[in-house]
Amino acid sequence: GAGVSQTPSNKVTEKGKYVELRCDPISGHTALYWYRQSLGQGPEFLIYFQGTGAADDSGLPNDRFFAVRPEGSVSTLKIQRTERGDSAVYLCASSFPSGGPNTGELFFGEGSRLTVL
Amino acid sequence: KQEVTQIPAALSVPEGENLVLNCSFTDSAIYNLQWFRQDPGKGLTSLLLIQSSQREQTSGRLNASLDKSSGRSTLYIAASQPGDSATYLCAVRGEYGNKLVFGAGTILRVKS
Repeated sequence: GAGVSQTPSNKVTEKGKYVELRCDPISGHTALYWYRQSLGQGPEFLIYFQGTGAADDSGLPNDRFFAVRPEGSVSTLKIQRTERGDSAVYLCASSFPSGGPNTGELFFGEGSRLTVL
Repeated sequence: KQEVTQIPAALSVPEGENLVLNCSFTDSAIYNLQWFRQDPGKGLTSLLLIQSSQREQTSGRLNASLDKSSGRSTLYIAASQPGDSATYLCAVRGEYGNKLVFGAGTILRVKS
């Protein structure tokens, strides 16, 4: 697609429920990132994929959070047993891998706003 | 651990003014620095990217500079317009990693 696409744009769930957030990166971008943004803050890194593998998952806050990218394109962020503190905007970004002619510039989607009641 | 600070946190200016947004980072071992714009309820739009070997980048009325050794970058906006009102975010990528570390942003309001 022309840009990074994220679905759903808004998700309201109850505490304890399971949630999946989807990201469809720009075609040809092998690098994919998930970030989380709370109100009034800058985005906070969660996980980075290069191809199908999670190259850096150091930002995942705990084992309730998991992300996959089975075919190296679309990625799904999965949150188990949601808590009120998980409420935030979850942003996805993609890029060509940096190096050579590629600058590594990140392009972001519109985000998925998660509200846990 | 890289930390990014943006000053001021908020800025309100009359239309037509030139303005400067500041970004500082604690670890000068960076690969690049990227400035983004974020409108309320929206995602991030990339404005300018400066590689660590570069001193500045320009796009239209925007000019971003980088002083890697002192850990600073500035975003200069010329002849500001009400449509420039948004949150501006600065982010740096380290030399040996792939993730961007963001500042908290500067909320800009340009009054007509």
